[in-house]
Amino acid sequence: AQSVSQHNHHVILSEAASLELGCNYSYGGTVNLFWYVQYPGQHLQLLLKYFSGDPLVKGIKGFEAEFIKSKFSFNLRKPSVQWSDTAEYFCAVNAGGFKTIFGAGTRLFVKA
Amino acid sequence: DGGITQSPKYLFRKEGQNVTLSCEQNLNHDAMYWYRQDPGQGLRLIYYSQIVNDFQKGDIAEGYSVSREKKESFPLTVTSAQKNPTAFYLCASTIGSYNSPLHFGNGTRLTVT
Repeated sequence: AQSVSQHNHHVILSEAASLELGCNYSYGGTVNLFWYVQYPGQHLQLLLKYFSGDPLVKGIKGFEAEFIKSKFSFNLRKPSVQWSDTAEYFCAVNAGGFKTIFGAGTRLFVKA
Repeated sequence: DGGITQSPKYLFRKEGQNVTLSCEQNLNHDAMYWYRQDPGQGLRLIYYSQIVNDFQKGDIAEGYSVSREKKESFPLTVTSAQKNPTAFYLCASTIGSYNSPLHFGNGTRLTVT
């Protein structure tokens, strides 16, 4: 069965620190990859997505993610986090069809 | 503004009662979904519907039922057969192609005592 693993459930960083959240998936075929973010009190929203082409994709608010096919990974990065990045981040994979599988989520807390 | 409306935001029910969660979208999206969010488990798919009058079970459909009589509406009923109904329920939609991102509502927090 397809699955998505997010390595860290809770991350605490100080402002200006660099961020990398790990995401691995288990599916050998073509995949569409997403990162979603849920800010406190807000609905889940798309941060960035990868379908094909350049494996380094850029999203909103300075986030980027790199697709490494050989490692089945799609890690999320940001060079310098801000207090407003405090949120829960979800990695998601769609391997065709209408079913998108989500990881367990990573709660990020940024100290001001 | 187009979007997805879930109501109510908070819902309380006694054990043994069925309860229906509302989801309406005005995005003209073909596909609609119900996910359940539990702490530490991410989002798990309950049911999805690609078109009107058609829906499929997701990974955790037991104890739930849905209907899709109109394109814009996809209500979820949590039945008394659902063993652990207390959770945060999210409705989502996409335009219909599998590589389209999901658009989410604000969710309904259901508490069953």
